[in-house]
Amino acid sequence: EEQVVVSGGDLVQPGGSLRLSCAASGFNYGDHYMEWVRQGPGKGLEWVAATRDKANGATTEYAASVQGRFTISRDDSKNSLYLQMNSLKTEDTAVYYCVRDINNKGSWYFDLWGRGTLVTVSS
Amino acid sequence: IQLTQSPSSLSAFVGDRVTITCRASQDISSYLAWYQQKPGKAPKVLMYAASTLQSGVPSRFSGSGSGTDFTLTINGLQPEDFATYYCQNLKNYPITFGQGTRLEIK
Repeated sequence: EEQVVVSGGDLVQPGGSLRLSCAASGFNYGDHYMEWVRQGPGKGLEWVAATRDKANGATTEYAASVQGRFTISRDDSKNSLYLQMNSLKTEDTAVYYCVRDINNKGSWYFDLWGRGTLVTVSS
Repeated sequence: IQLTQSPSSLSAFVGDRVTITCRASQDISSYLAWYQQKPGKAPKVLMYAASTLQSGVPSRFSGSGSGTDFTLTINGLQPEDFATYYCQNLKNYPITFGQGTRLEIK
């Protein structure tokens, strides 16, 4: 079964740091772009960060709201994705989803979502 | 690229036909996907490339549009369709989502 399982969500104080992990299984992880998407309480979906596959240099992209504070990384040997979050703000409070990106005949979309982990930034 | 969905919410009866629209602030060709999200659950993809139905999604869902204007139509609403729907721009990074349309039972 294809799945992604996220861990690491917690309560953290403003200005603090947290690292989320995502373990992938059941598919060729290294062949896929991977993404982080978040959803604040009662709010809509917000794309956070992406990492391309190794064939495309494993380069990264970030939303403006997290650029310079968050770092996405991947370890293909461990089928794992990470999100290092520094200088956390109260507005970073959200459920964070690990997501597989798929290219189907030239069309991209997010086809596999993890269950989500809650990050709460509060004093 | 900003995506604006309308309406933000709507109420409908089981069996109704409903249409949700998504307007992009610039041309995104057909790089648009639609997702359904139920409370407490992760989103699920319904449609990609604006009009291609994801495998396993019922055929009562359909999508259309290209460029800046897109629609998601549900023909014959079923009880399990009451949820929040999001459109998504995948033309390039940063990827963006519409603000969501909450579909409720009347």
